[in-house]
Amino acid sequence: DVKVTQSSRYLVKRTGEKVFLECVQDMDHENMFWYRQDPGLGLRLIYFSYDVKMKEKGDIPEGYSVSREKKERFSLILESASTNQTSMYLCASISRGDRDYEQYFGPGTRLTVT
Amino acid sequence: RKEVEQDPGPFNVPEGATVAFNCTYSNSASQSFFWYRQDCRKEPKLLMSVYSSGNEDGRFTAQLNRASQYISLLIRDSKLSDSATYLCVVPLSPNDYKLSFGAGTTVTVRA
Repeated sequence: DVKVTQSSRYLVKRTGEKVFLECVQDMDHENMFWYRQDPGLGLRLIYFSYDVKMKEKGDIPEGYSVSREKKERFSLILESASTNQTSMYLCASISRGDRDYEQYFGPGTRLTVT
Repeated sequence: RKEVEQDPGPFNVPEGATVAFNCTYSNSASQSFFWYRQDCRKEPKLLMSVYSSGNEDGRFTAQLNRASQYISLLIRDSKLSDSATYLCVVPLSPNDYKLSFGAGTTVTVRA
């Protein structure tokens, strides 16, 4: 069974802290994505990665960075957390060649920055 | 203009009713379209793919109108378990794994 896991379901951090969100998939997928989801705005792409050590900016990369040292793991880093980064963060992966473009999502991390 | 736009709803319908809602997309070159379903406090999951004029899967029917650039989703004989947010999804370009998500249409089915 396909599985994407995220390190935390809920996280509370203080402004200025460095925050690490981890995502692991066990499907040997090449492509991995980080989104944030906010009411009324839908899912917005922060960063994505087509392969190990490869990363590209999405629509809203400011204030974030990523790391993909291993195929199964894609980490999102908030260098200095701010209150406007309070959101639901979703990780997803997809296999290269998947005609159905079925992205498999993790359960999400609800991050609150105070 | 947003790449994908949806009526946010909510659509409140009784069990057994039919409910339908649309999604408009801006890129006329788009070839494939998807509906994802997201239950409350859960992650999105693929519901249906639409490649040509439409697709049907049980009580769910998706139709594509290329001329007017919209996709519709129709749910027949609604069940309580159909209560969810339905996300319209379009690849940013053909063969691109980056997807553009609509903000979602919320459907609530009441007993």
